[in-house]
Amino acid sequence: ETGVTQSPTHLIKTRGQQVTLRCSSQSGHNTVSWYQQALGQGPQFIFQYYREEENGRGNFPPRFSGLQFPNYSSELNVNALELDDSALYLCASSLAAGGSETQYFGPGTRLLVL
Amino acid sequence: GDSVTQMEGPVTLSEEACLTINCTYTATGYPSLFWYVQYPGEGLQLLLKATKADDKGSNKGFEATYRKETTSFHLEKGSVQVSDSAVYFCALSKIKAAGNKLTFGGGTRVLVKP
Repeated sequence: ETGVTQSPTHLIKTRGQQVTLRCSSQSGHNTVSWYQQALGQGPQFIFQYYREEENGRGNFPPRFSGLQFPNYSSELNVNALELDDSALYLCASSLAAGGSETQYFGPGTRLLVL
Repeated sequence: GDSVTQMEGPVTLSEEACLTINCTYTATGYPSLFWYVQYPGEGLQLLLKATKADDKGSNKGFEATYRKETTSFHLEKGSVQVSDSAVYFCALSKIKAAGNKLTFGGGTRVLVKP
């Protein structure tokens, strides 16, 4: 069984650019969540997709947007990059969107904004 | 809003010592509680979870009991190994309008010396 995969592993961008991060969910999982983890901090919830629809959003501006595809893979797009967007971006998938469902994390994409 | 507070690190121990990482939470209703572990340069791995009061989660020698009366979910291990060196995150999850997002504590770095 393949786990959650993310691409790319590392990325360097300059302020004002746009970036797209990708995530493939674990087989059979229909729910994908995205988190931002700044250095030395716990992950912060960005948003969640359930069966291709946004199913909740954290306290992030609209320049953070996403998609989920019919195969349940997902993209995170960030426009107008700012220096503070430098972080590890984690994708997690789960069997469903229930509160007790375990979320399984990918290895993350480390984004550096210069 | 919901929040998780865990003891700040780093925690430095000798091999075979006992480990306790305190975690308390603030949430309405009945959250599910999780401990995740993050090894250097990697994503998060689920260590254990508990979905209702008095449940005990356990895995790889680690244990944590869901105490609703003290709103706590402390992580314990009786004899640590060098390979347990990592950052440990306590988290909670509930079904809300924002989906079943995970709310994380700030993480506790543990260093086990031989």
